[in-house]
Amino acid sequence: DVQLVQSGAEVKKPGATVKISCKVSGYPFIDYYIHWVQQAPGKGLEWVGLVDPGDGESLYAEKFQGRVTISADTSTDTAYMELSSLRSEDTAVYYCATGIGELQDHWFDPWGQGTLVTVSS
Amino acid sequence: EIVMTQSPATLSLSPGERATLSCRASQSISRNLAWYQQRPGQAPRLLIHGASTRATGTPARFSGSGSGTEFTLTISSLQSEDYAVYYCQQYKNWPPYSFGQGTKLEIK
Repeated sequence: DVQLVQSGAEVKKPGATVKISCKVSGYPFIDYYIHWVQQAPGKGLEWVGLVDPGDGESLYAEKFQGRVTISADTSTDTAYMELSSLRSEDTAVYYCATGIGELQDHWFDPWGQGTLVTVSS
Repeated sequence: EIVMTQSPATLSLSPGERATLSCRASQSISRNLAWYQQRPGQAPRLLIHGASTRATGTPARFSGSGSGTEFTLTISSLQSEDYAVYYCQQYKNWPPYSFGQGTKLEIK
């Protein structure tokens, strides 16, 4: 059974850095990309970026470029998303998801349960 | 960047009725389109990829159609568990992988 299990909720102050994790089980970790998606309270879904666990290469949305780092640890089958210089607008649920499809033409399945990041002074 | 636009924003229908949700891409995405369902407090769940291929576990009452820039998700006969928010997502031109703003399907 494929599962993506994310770390727990975080509360951070403005300007701080948060790092959340996504533990993968049920398939060879290096076989599929991991994507991260942001959902602000009451809002829609926005793609943050991806990592290829096979070689560690990452790709980011322009909106988050320079503040986000997505990585993968093949020794623990875990992907990470680190977001720095936090501001109130970063308050959101962050989901990891497995990218499925040919090359990088990916739809997302399955998804992790989500991690709430709250940025508040 | 490809912009995905969903309509309507909210759809109010009674159980047993047919639901038709639309998704439009700002440029052609062939059939590189997925649909997701998100129930309150839950993560999104894949329903359809390739515009019309049902994911494992997606009930047959869900069907997808379209190509190019116009796509439709149809639910043939609404069940209580279908009331949720639905998102479309394109994966033709990336980055970014872009989503529509969602359609909320509510009980009338």
